[in-house]
Amino acid sequence: EPEVTQTPSHQVTQMGQEVILRCVPISNHLYFYWYRQILGQKVEFLVSFYNNEISEKSEIFDDQFSVERPDGSNFTLKIRSTKLEDSAMYFCASSPGQGRPGYTFGSGTRLTVV
Amino acid sequence: RKEVEQDPGPFNVPEGATVAFNCTYSNSASQSFFWYRQDCRKEPKLLMSVYSSGNEDGRFTAQLNRASQYISLLIRDSKLSDSATYLCVLRMDSSYKLIFGSGTRLLVRP
Repeated sequence: EPEVTQTPSHQVTQMGQEVILRCVPISNHLYFYWYRQILGQKVEFLVSFYNNEISEKSEIFDDQFSVERPDGSNFTLKIRSTKLEDSAMYFCASSPGQGRPGYTFGSGTRLTVV
Repeated sequence: RKEVEQDPGPFNVPEGATVAFNCTYSNSASQSFFWYRQDCRKEPKLLMSVYSSGNEDGRFTAQLNRASQYISLLIRDSKLSDSATYLCVLRMDSSYKLIFGSGTRLLVRP
């Protein structure tokens, strides 16, 4: 079964540093997403990406965050100048497209900011 | 009012029991509804979509009541492996993002 792959599984970084979280979506999917889940809280939408541009973003996704699809397979989330409150599980997801099922999540990257 | 509200639980039930979870949503424009399952520190996984007519998948039955803006999940003959957090999730017609509830924790004991 196709899967969404995320690396690394766990990242520890110092406050103020930049981190890049990486994802390989399912190859024939057209929509890509980042979600986050702070420990003990609900899963929250950050951003969706389609046709090489952001299609929707939440209030959480401020100037500190950016996404990129640098090649045909990778989808990255960059967090500049990390803060303690950025510590969370970050999930990448992809879906085939309009009206079609198959929204698939990756296993997540646990980001710890110290 | 929260977009999606769920009783956090935990629901602690013996193996073989039937258990039901409810979820309410605030936006009547919500179009698609799902139940996801999340194991501790793992990604959410789709359990089932929820259709207006109600639908069943093995031991799991989902119902949607648009007039009252709630959805439900019934689990029959609970197994130890059903222990997890069950997430009520919806999607608006105009968007592809998923909106998650905080989840209901289920513990199935031997």
